[in-house]
Amino acid sequence: NAGVTQTPKFQVLKTGQSMTLQCAQDMNHNSMYWYRQDPGMGLRLIYYSASEGTTDKGEVPNGYNVSRLNKREFSLRLESAAPSQTSVYFCASDGLFDPQHFGDGTRLSIL
Amino acid sequence: GQQLNQSPQSMFIQEGEDVSMNCTSSSIFNTWLWYKQDPGEGPVLLIALYKAGELTSNGRLTAQFGITRKDSFLNISASIPSDVGIYFCAGQLSFGANSKLTFGKGITLSVRP
Repeated sequence: NAGVTQTPKFQVLKTGQSMTLQCAQDMNHNSMYWYRQDPGMGLRLIYYSASEGTTDKGEVPNGYNVSRLNKREFSLRLESAAPSQTSVYFCASDGLFDPQHFGDGTRLSIL
Repeated sequence: GQQLNQSPQSMFIQEGEDVSMNCTSSSIFNTWLWYKQDPGEGPVLLIALYKAGELTSNGRLTAQFGITRKDSFLNISASIPSDVGIYFCAGQLSFGANSKLTFGKGITLSVRP
């Protein structure tokens, strides 16, 4: 049982490049989330999807877009990467009476 | 946005000692969660608490949901080197449409052999 799978695990981008972070869960969860983790800042919610077909902004959505492709998959896109988006990105999912489970993260550096 | 209060930021203990961490909020939550994050990995759920006053154990870990619903604590007994990591608390109002978590900034635990 893989849980929450994130790809890629590491990525280096140049300023202005775009990329999509992928996330898939195999727990039949309705809700999925994208967080970023920065030193001293804890986990901050970027976007979430309460159910298939819906997405909503979290605390720090600027510079990001998301797509809930189907119940299993929730992607995060950086259209024009900026150095301030250097971070570790985590995807998570939860369901009714099943707390949030996290993936192992994507470590993203933007030069 | 709101964050839960976890302090101190770091704790240093000797192997074999017990350690207690608490987490406080100015708002009420209906679920409290405790996660541990190892270096280079994602947070892993340790204990989930669903009822005010609930005391739950998971091996050497014990956590309690405060009666006021504004706090929770986590106790680790007889610490071992693999207990090293960052411990996060999280509060949740409910499952479903309002299921977003509110996190503390975490406590980094170091265990001296």
